[in-house]
Amino acid sequence: AQKITQTQPGMFVQEKEAVTLDCTYDTSDQSYGLFWYKQPSSGEMIFLIYQGSYDEQNATEGRYSLNFQKARKSANLVISASQLGDSAMYFCAMSALNTGNQFYFGTGTSLTVIP
Amino acid sequence: NAGVMQNPRHLVRRRGQEARLRCSPMKGHSHVYWYRQLPEEGLKFMVYLQKENIIDESGMPKERFSAEFPKEGPSILRIQQVVRGDSAAYFCASSRDVGSPLHFGNGTRLTVT
Repeated sequence: AQKITQTQPGMFVQEKEAVTLDCTYDTSDQSYGLFWYKQPSSGEMIFLIYQGSYDEQNATEGRYSLNFQKARKSANLVISASQLGDSAMYFCAMSALNTGNQFYFGTGTSLTVIP
Repeated sequence: NAGVMQNPRHLVRRRGQEARLRCSPMKGHSHVYWYRQLPEEGLKFMVYLQKENIIDESGMPKERFSAEFPKEGPSILRIQQVVRGDSAAYFCASSRDVGSPLHFGNGTRLTVT
């Protein structure tokens, strides 16, 4: 069975500071992908960043980076230099090849950036 | 490049009516997923389809719900005889290949009165 856990229902960060959103996963598959999505109050789901299980380097996309620790089964999202527009819900997700490309989502973390 | 297109954006139905939600995937994407989101909650998987085939419908209620992705045209999520508990946001997502990132539509907000 696959499982994604996000233990932080809500987080606050000062503008221009960095913040880490936690995500742990549970899978018996060797080949899988990890994803982060942002959902602002307007409701759309925005893809942020992807990490493959065989990627040796941590993924980065602009101010977003994924701190991938395979042995600990964690895939934390780091947002650097937070902006007010970063206030949103953030969802971690996993897809495993051996389970038919099923995507599993965590329960999300609500991030509020304080001016 | 047009993204994933969902319509309608908002849908109001009375109890007992049918709701039809449409989703056109991104160009070149042949994998379509439907998710449901209740207020203040995460996304719950409903069904995964490829062209003309249902690959995984393990998240879809056995009764009243059906989905299709025909050879031509959009994917359709159909809810028959809607009840108040069906009120939610329904998101469609598509991907190019197995394991590729999902790209989401803006969702359809269904309200059952």
